[in-house]
Amino acid sequence: NAGVTQTPKFQVLKTGQSMTLQCAQDMNHNSMYWYRQDPGMGLRLIYYSASEGTTDKGEVPNGYNVSRLNKREFSLRLESAAPSQTSVYFCASSDTGETQYFGPGTRLLVL
Amino acid sequence: GDSVTQMEGPVTLSEEAFLTINCTYTATGYPSLFWYVQYPGEGLQLLLKATKADDKGSNKGFEATYRKETTSFHLEKGSVQVSDSAVYFCALIRSGSARQLTFGSGTQLTVLP
Repeated sequence: NAGVTQTPKFQVLKTGQSMTLQCAQDMNHNSMYWYRQDPGMGLRLIYYSASEGTTDKGEVPNGYNVSRLNKREFSLRLESAAPSQTSVYFCASSDTGETQYFGPGTRLLVL
Repeated sequence: GDSVTQMEGPVTLSEEAFLTINCTYTATGYPSLFWYVQYPGEGLQLLLKATKADDKGSNKGFEATYRKETTSFHLEKGSVQVSDSAVYFCALIRSGSARQLTFGSGTQLTVLP
């Protein structure tokens, strides 16, 4: 059981470039989430998917898009990266919606 | 809206010292409360949780009691170890909120031998 996996672990982008962060879970969970973590601000929810085929905005969705490809996979896309999107991104999944299980994170630097 | 306020860090303690990290919340209704821990270079892991007033969550020697009257969920441990060095996050889920976690800003704990 790998739990929640994320790729890549680390990425450097130039302003205006695009990229997709991948997330997969092998726990058969219905719900999946994308958070960003910035110093002194805790984690903030970007988007979530309560079940396969549905996605909803969280607290800070601007500049991002998501795709729930199937029950296992939930990707986050930056269409035109900005320095303000420099952050650590965490994917999480949940079955009951109470306890969430987090991946190891993707560290993104936008120059 | 919902919010969680944690004691600011960083906190530095000697091994075997007593730990308290304060957490208070603002939310309508009856949220479930959580403590998550993040070890260096890793994702967050659930440490403990409580789902109703006066519940006590406990795990690995850590405890926290859901106090509705003071809207608090303070984390305590009687004797910390070097291996407890990590960032600790208090969080809540409000019923009917589509199960979105609201996090505090995190408290960095360093335990010295």
